Amino acid sequence: DSGVTQTPKHLITATGQRVTLRCSPRSGDLSVYWYQQSLDQGLQFLIQYYNGEERAKGNILERFSAQQFPDLHSELNLSSLELGDSALYFCASSASGEPKETQYFGPGTRLLVL
Amino acid sequence: AQSVSQHNHHVILSEAASLELGCNYSYGGTVNLFWYVQYPGQHLQLLLKYFSGDPLVKGIKGFEAEFIKSKFSFNLRKPSVQWSDTAEYFCAVNARAGGFKTIFGAGTRLFVKA
Repeated sequence: DSGVTQTPKHLITATGQRVTLRCSPRSGDLSVYWYQQSLDQGLQFLIQYYNGEERAKGNILERFSAQQFPDLHSELNLSSLELGDSALYFCASSASGEPKETQYFGPGTRLLVL
Repeated sequence: AQSVSQHNHHVILSEAASLELGCNYSYGGTVNLFWYVQYPGQHLQLLLKYFSGDPLVKGIKGFEAEFIKSKFSFNLRKPSVQWSDTAEYFCAVNARAGGFKTIFGAGTRLFVKA
């Protein structure tokens, strides 16, 4: 167990809908990362937060947004869902978001868009 | 664009065989290099990492990796694999040149026959 929790574990929804994925980092970690893992694209970095502020942005679509709250949990919002958004979404956390730090990954949320 | 290449998508070995998984990256300059592993049904976890010093890095469970700057490579090795090493292995890199966003390779699925 990495100490990072993600809810829900599985999510099935329809095209055009909006969903929210939730992540709680390890106790004491200030930085949260979101990744998308799909069969054709592998593990893609989406976005990183540190202590409530966006720190780095990757290949995140405009339909997707995220935030980190004062209690340090984070939410990834996916809207106007398309079939191609079906993937495993991972959250990871690290102590202070520095590049050399180990990232601790959660179990992921599997999203299926029908 | 920066990229991370893992040469083998699938590797099948017998127990006690030696393992070498290739990883090449396209960043110039200073890099931070990681190998993560995902055992069946478990979350991604760190095997080892390198950011400076001795280019031969030792990690958990008998794994090691060698950073060869001239070849832009960070290959993972284990002298004698066990059935319990069956997992998916991911090479990951971040660098100043890429804004320190962590880029993952596509992963290598290792199956060890008992």
